Amino acid sequence: DIQMTQSPSSLSASVGDRVTITCRASQSVSIYLNWYQQKPGKAPKLLIYAASSLQSGVPSRFSGSGSGTDFTLTISSLHPEDFATYYCQQNYNTPPWTFGQGTKVEIK
Amino acid sequence: EGQLEESGGGLVQPGGSLRLSCAASGFTFSSYSMSWVRQAPGKGLEWVSYISGSSSTIYYADSVKGRFTLSRDNAKNSLYLQMNSLRDEDAAVYYCARDEAGTSWSFDIWGQGTMVTVSS
Repeated sequence: DIQMTQSPSSLSASVGDRVTITCRASQSVSIYLNWYQQKPGKAPKLLIYAASSLQSGVPSRFSGSGSGTDFTLTISSLHPEDFATYYCQQNYNTPPWTFGQGTKVEIK
Repeated sequence: EGQLEESGGGLVQPGGSLRLSCAASGFTFSSYSMSWVRQAPGKGLEWVSYISGSSSTIYYADSVKGRFTLSRDNAKNSLYLQMNSLRDEDAAVYYCARDEAGTSWSFDIWGQGTMVTVSS
C-alpha cells in the first residue's frame, strides 16, 4: 500500500499568515493527490484535486502543487475559518486509497 | 449539488453485525462510483470500500475484507455497507462519499457520517 506522510502534524499560526503543509508519498502517485479540510464534528470537504486544481467554490487563497511523491498545500493568507485539520489523500491507480495522518492548524 | 445521508449506526457488541445505509439525492446516483471512509475517535481518515456505478467493481480495505460487504440499489438511490464480525477497532464515524470523475476521482460530496460503537 502507498503510505502518505504529512508534515507538520500540527502548527500554530496567526490570521494573515502564509501556511504550507507538505505531503509525501511512499511511491509515485503522479498527480493523483487530493486535499481535504475537516472541522470538528463535520465531514471532510474537498479543497484541491489532481494536486493543483481548485474545487469549485473554494477560495483562491488555497493552492496545491507537486507531482510524483512530494506535494504542498498552501494557504496564502490564513482566515479565521481556516483553522481546521487538513488531510492529503492519494487515489492513484486502484485501491486501497490512503490518507495522510492529518495536519491540525491552530490559532497562535 | 448533491447530498448524501447516512443511517444505521449504533452500539453493537464485538462479533455482532450492523448494516449502514447511505441515501443519495440531487444527482444521478447510478452514474457515480461511491466509497465508504471511516474515522475512529480522535484519529485520521481511513478508506474502507469502493463500488462502481454498476456494482461490477468492488474493492475493500484489507482491514475489513471478508467481514464487510458493500452493495447498492440504484433504483432506490441507496448504498449499503453490511458489517459482520465487528471488532473494537471498527468503532468509528462512517462516511459515504461520492467519487467524481470530473475531479480526478476525488471524494467531492460527503455525508454527515453515522457513528458505530463496538462495545460489550
